[in-house]
Amino acid sequence: ELVLTQSPGTLSLSPGERATLSCRASQSVTNNYLAWYQQKPGQAPRLLIYRASYRAEGFPDRFSGSGSGTDFTLTISRLEPEDFAVYYCQHYGSSPPMFTFGQGTKLDVK
Amino acid sequence: EVQLLESGGDLVQPGGSLRLSCAASGFTFSAYVMSWVRQAPGKGLEWVSSITSSGDSTHYPDSVKGRFTISRDNSKNTVYLQMHSLRAEDTAVYYCATDLGDTGWLPHWYHWGQGTLVTVSS
Repeated sequence: ELVLTQSPGTLSLSPGERATLSCRASQSVTNNYLAWYQQKPGQAPRLLIYRASYRAEGFPDRFSGSGSGTDFTLTISRLEPEDFAVYYCQHYGSSPPMFTFGQGTKLDVK
Repeated sequence: EVQLLESGGDLVQPGGSLRLSCAASGFTFSAYVMSWVRQAPGKGLEWVSSITSSGDSTHYPDSVKGRFTISRDNSKNTVYLQMHSLRAEDTAVYYCATDLGDTGWLPHWYHWGQGTLVTVSS
């Protein structure tokens, strides 16, 4: 069973800084079936990145995803106040269908 | 506009049962895979179950297999989660989720409901 490990657990940065969040898989991810979600307190998660690098509708281009194999990265080029949230990576395995989340990275204001 | 509205969350005793509902609107419900994802208080996200558009195939993680059953009624645009033998560790907000990018299995979810809280406690 594939396990996703996110690091760091908490990232403290200031608005305007660059954020780099990591998601490492215990096995190689096929078809780049790796997504990222943003979640703010009291809200449902929002799909942010899918297929490792495609940005979902509604998010600006300061958000980008990269990686392949076992190592994936979410980058926020210049943090805005509304970007402080928890970010989860998520994998899909197809045989049988199974979805796995990382434990999350909390991005908070320094 | 796509809407997913969960209901049925409640306080239930350990060992008890509960059925959650998710009423969908704004899209052709019968064409898409539907899923449930949960989040324990202060914790991360966990996939709970998924069902194909016709309802002929369902999938679960080991943590709920044999205790939870997902089903759907395409005439009512509603997906259900029947939960039995509930445990304290099933306490969570349960979200209904889907993605409309394709009618088959998709590896992510764009549309989420606001969730319904299930509390398992004596």
